[in-house]
Amino acid sequence: EAGVTQFPSHSVIEKGQTVTLRCDPISGHDNLYWYRRVMGKEIKFLLHFVKESKQDESGMPNNRFLAERTGGTYSTLKVQPAELEDSGVYFCASSRGLAGGSRSGANVLTFGAGSRLTVL
Amino acid sequence: AQSVTQLGSHVSVSEGALVLLRCNYSSSVPPYLFWYVQYPNQGLQLLLKYTSAATLVKGINGFEAEFKKSETSFHLTKPSAHMSDAAEYLCAVASSGGYQKVTFGIGTKLQVIP
Repeated sequence: EAGVTQFPSHSVIEKGQTVTLRCDPISGHDNLYWYRRVMGKEIKFLLHFVKESKQDESGMPNNRFLAERTGGTYSTLKVQPAELEDSGVYFCASSRGLAGGSRSGANVLTFGAGSRLTVL
Repeated sequence: AQSVTQLGSHVSVSEGALVLLRCNYSSSVPPYLFWYVQYPNQGLQLLLKYTSAATLVKGINGFEAEFKKSETSFHLTKPSAHMSDAAEYLCAVASSGGYQKVTFGIGTKLQVIP
């Protein structure tokens, strides 16, 4: 099966501009997650979709970040306007099953290669 | 609340030597534990996972990890390092809340010296 695909792989923008990152999860995966890694720091959770609904967006830094998942397929993460501290690698992940999966590992995440964002 | 501590942001081993990457976790509920590997310009790849079955977990590429509840540890080992093992290794913990809101450690970059 195809993996999790992210576009673009690298984006360089000026402070104040807008960037939209896209994630195509594995087909049939209801759960979609966004994570971010700032240089030198841990990978941090941003939010979680179950199909098209936001299940948990507690990790979103502020209202400059907007995530959508229309139709429960691909997802976009828009940063508007971008600030210097938004630079980092944005990872998308997906998993099978609904919330409440068993401990057998049905909800193990498959990650994409990430989108590197550089804000100048 | 959950957290992960990885001791040693950089580890160097000689080719053929034992690999030991340390991970300690904190979790208020029985944890799921994971090791991921990231090669340059690639995504995170799952090496192995612990989900309350056997405490010694075997993964891909000859890696294994042992869950020790008393020590809250989940160290990653491999008997003999290969050059191809050079990568960044990330330990992660998730709660049993039904979905995998994963908390990562800061990662350990493994260098293999010929």
